[in-house]
Amino acid sequence: KAGVTQTPRYLIKTRGQQVTLSCSPISGHRSVSWYQQTPGQGLQFLFEYFSETQRNKGNFPGRFSGRQFSNSRSEMNVSTLELGDSALYLCASSSRRGGYTFGSGTRLTVV
Amino acid sequence: TQLLEQSPQFLSIQEGENLTVYCNSSSVFSSLQWYRQEPGEGPVLLVTVVTGGEVKKLKRLTFQFGDARKDSSLHITAAQPGDTGLYLCAGDTNAGKSTFGDGTTLTVKP
Repeated sequence: KAGVTQTPRYLIKTRGQQVTLSCSPISGHRSVSWYQQTPGQGLQFLFEYFSETQRNKGNFPGRFSGRQFSNSRSEMNVSTLELGDSALYLCASSSRRGGYTFGSGTRLTVV
Repeated sequence: TQLLEQSPQFLSIQEGENLTVYCNSSSVFSSLQWYRQEPGEGPVLLVTVVTGGEVKKLKRLTFQFGDARKDSSLHITAAQPGDTGLYLCAGDTNAGKSTFGDGTTLTVKP
């Protein structure tokens, strides 16, 4: 059974640009959650999608958005990048409440 | 507001020693998970606890969920270098959100 796949693994962007990250969950998992991980703030919840609908949202500005497709694959987009957006972005899928399978993450560096 | 406090933040021990890390909150959780994360990778789920007072064992790791479902502990017996990593706890609320603690960075020296 394939795990959660995130692409790309590494990304370098310039301030002001936008970026799209992709996540393919485990087959059969309909819930996809996104987290931002930084040394100073730990793991911060961005949003959760279930059956193409955003079910929960964290406290991030509107520059952070996401969507989920009918095959459960998900994308998150960050517009007008800031230096502080540099982080490891993690995607996790779940078949039920409680307990995630995480991908390896996308390391985003904003310069 | 940080709902989950993990302690200690850093722990460095010798191979063979025992250790306990803690995850505390003033909130009640419907379930709580423990993860281990290695550098450059995503967290890996170790265990989910659901019932107050529940104890689960995974080889040398023992997990306990507090009676009131507000706190948890992870005890490692005879730690090995392979146990090195960031240990994260995460609590699920009835609203369906998972909140993560900041983690305990464990280093086990050979």
